[in-house]
Amino acid sequence: DAKTTQPNSMESNEEEPVHLPCNHSTISGTDYIHWYRQLPSQGPEYVIHGLTSNVNNRMASLAIAEDRKSSTLILHRATLRDAAVYYCILRANRDDKIIFGKGTRLHILP
Amino acid sequence: GAGVSQSPSNKVTEKGKDVELRCDPISGHTALYWYRQSLGQGLEFLIYFQGNSAPDKSGLPSDRFSAERTGGSVSTLTIQRTQQEDSAVYLCASSTHPGATGELFFGEGSRLTVL
Repeated sequence: DAKTTQPNSMESNEEEPVHLPCNHSTISGTDYIHWYRQLPSQGPEYVIHGLTSNVNNRMASLAIAEDRKSSTLILHRATLRDAAVYYCILRANRDDKIIFGKGTRLHILP
Repeated sequence: GAGVSQSPSNKVTEKGKDVELRCDPISGHTALYWYRQSLGQGLEFLIYFQGNSAPDKSGLPSDRFSAERTGGSVSTLTIQRTQQEDSAVYLCASSTHPGATGELFFGEGSRLTVL
């Protein structure tokens, strides 16, 4: 079973920020939080990952709660090309069985 | 190419036939993963390789499914006596190393349709 919980779907308007939540209440101290996204008819692609501190890269920002039981992926200015399924997963150092949940389907309204 | 390559991209077969799906990982990537994605569903973990070794085969749906990896590179997923419920997109991913920080690079997938 997936160790994370995400809403099934979300909507956002184009050019507005999007906050995608993820709950991982059973996270262990050494688990990293990873986000991937899957555009239509493509394989998933890496977005961002973090352990404790908030992280920024060219695609997105990752905000991690102080207790690490939840995190939020932030797209600062959504475009139509950001419409995808977003997956939040946990990875441990010797984790050979990476489990993806059903993710959040993000719809962007023009 | 520089990415993960999968073949065939599309395969239509008749129920009961055997199929082989191939994955060419990114050169130098030691970890390789197979997933299955049925229509409208999330990714179902199948099997993972570190080098040529598959420490955990428990994700394979049945004994009709097998996978191997040779030379620490190419991997083949074989489905024997295909059934209609095997219809799905089979995705392969590779990573420079297993573990918490390794980024997964996915191929485009092999779409299998069993008639």
